[in-house]
Amino acid sequence: DIQMTQSPSSLSASVGDRVTITCRASQSIASFLNWYQQKPGKAPKLLIYAASSLQSGVPSRFSGSGSGTDFTLTISSQQPEDFATYYCQQSYSNPFTFGPGTKVDIK
Amino acid sequence: QVQLVQSGAEVKKPGASVKVSCKASGYTFTSYGISWVRQAPGQGLEWMGWISTYNGNTNYTQKLQGRVTMTTDTSTSTAYMVLRSLRSDDTAVYYCARDRRRTVGATTIDYWGQGALVTVSS
Repeated sequence: DIQMTQSPSSLSASVGDRVTITCRASQSIASFLNWYQQKPGKAPKLLIYAASSLQSGVPSRFSGSGSGTDFTLTISSQQPEDFATYYCQQSYSNPFTFGPGTKVDIK
Repeated sequence: QVQLVQSGAEVKKPGASVKVSCKASGYTFTSYGISWVRQAPGQGLEWMGWISTYNGNTNYTQKLQGRVTMTTDTSTSTAYMVLRSLRSDDTAVYYCARDRRRTVGATTIDYWGQGALVTVSS
């Protein structure tokens, strides 16, 4: 199975900050990487697919980059509604594992 | 608009089975697959498996192979997930989700159900 790791596991940010979350795969997954946002008590929401494609309706302050084993999710200017937990998921091979999550809270 | 409406919360005893349903609307059911993902209390997301609504093919995580069965009823646009021989560590919120993978290719979950809490307790 492909193992996914994320760093940091949590971070504190202020409104307006640039936030960067890293996801690493245990083997190359090309660009088969998705990012999700989850708020407490809610289902996850797709933000980015295929490493860098923005899901329809998602604000352009979210962006994704990377390929192979190392990926990044960037929020260019943190907004109040962006405080949540973020998960990466590899879509390269079964089982399509998720990372452990990065919780972004208010500084 | 795309909606996935799941059945309600369940409480089961260890060793029992649970069946969770997921009714889809707002899109052509057989044009997308359905994935199932679970989340134990306070924990991360775990991908359980995927079913093609087009031809019924399934992929399950090896961890649940033999205990999980995913099916669909295209006449009602409903997907089902049955988990057998329940244990306490199966306690989780179970999500169904629309998957862009119809038959082959990369999995991309783009819409999620509201989740169904399954509690396994004696």
